[in-house]
Amino acid sequence: NAGVTQTPKFQVLKTGQSMTLQCAQDMNHEYMSWYRQDPGMGLRLIHYSVGAGITDQGEVPNGYNVSRSTTEDFPLRLLSAAPSQTSVYFCATARQGGNTIYFGEGSWLTVV
Amino acid sequence: AQSVSQHNHHVILSEAASLELGCNYSYGGTVNLFWYVQYPGQHLQLLLKYFSGDPLVKGIKGFEAEFIKSKFSFNLRKPSVQWSDTAEYFCAGGSFKTIFGAGTRLFVKA
Repeated sequence: NAGVTQTPKFQVLKTGQSMTLQCAQDMNHEYMSWYRQDPGMGLRLIHYSVGAGITDQGEVPNGYNVSRSTTEDFPLRLLSAAPSQTSVYFCATARQGGNTIYFGEGSWLTVV
Repeated sequence: AQSVSQHNHHVILSEAASLELGCNYSYGGTVNLFWYVQYPGQHLQLLLKYFSGDPLVKGIKGFEAEFIKSKFSFNLRKPSVQWSDTAEYFCAGGSFKTIFGAGTRLFVKA
């Protein structure tokens, strides 16, 4: 997964706190997306972007905010963390017209 | 609405048994289908993908999948599983907006 970097890898938050998960890629891919992975539910798409300045909602967008000011970065913001947001978060990128998704290594988030 | 469903949540097999994991998709437009594997404690790895052409797709580690358009299916197969195939398997469909199935946990008994 060289090329997609997620930080932090682990984070513990208190309910109500806000934080940002960072995702950076150096492959010049147009498409970037955020997923959360929960047991028995697979990966669910939170938000995605088809290019700088363009974002859209996925399957489970509530409680999350994104922006895409540059091609390289696609941060995911938790506005007011809730225990239901305890999950593993994956950032993914893809080239327009390409056929392979590249995943980051994941960010483990616990909200207490 | 775009969706991907996997038939089994848990599968237990003995070594050397044959494997088939079911996947059905529901969306229009270009068909892009994938199978990913996630070993315990690791991130997702691409097993194989289908975009067009030969509906029988061969992937890594001896896996293959067959795209059957009339059944909206993309089942994953392996003739003889090994203990090291114990993992969670995800079917996915779409392009930049890729949707994943809920996953199937495979446990292979040695």
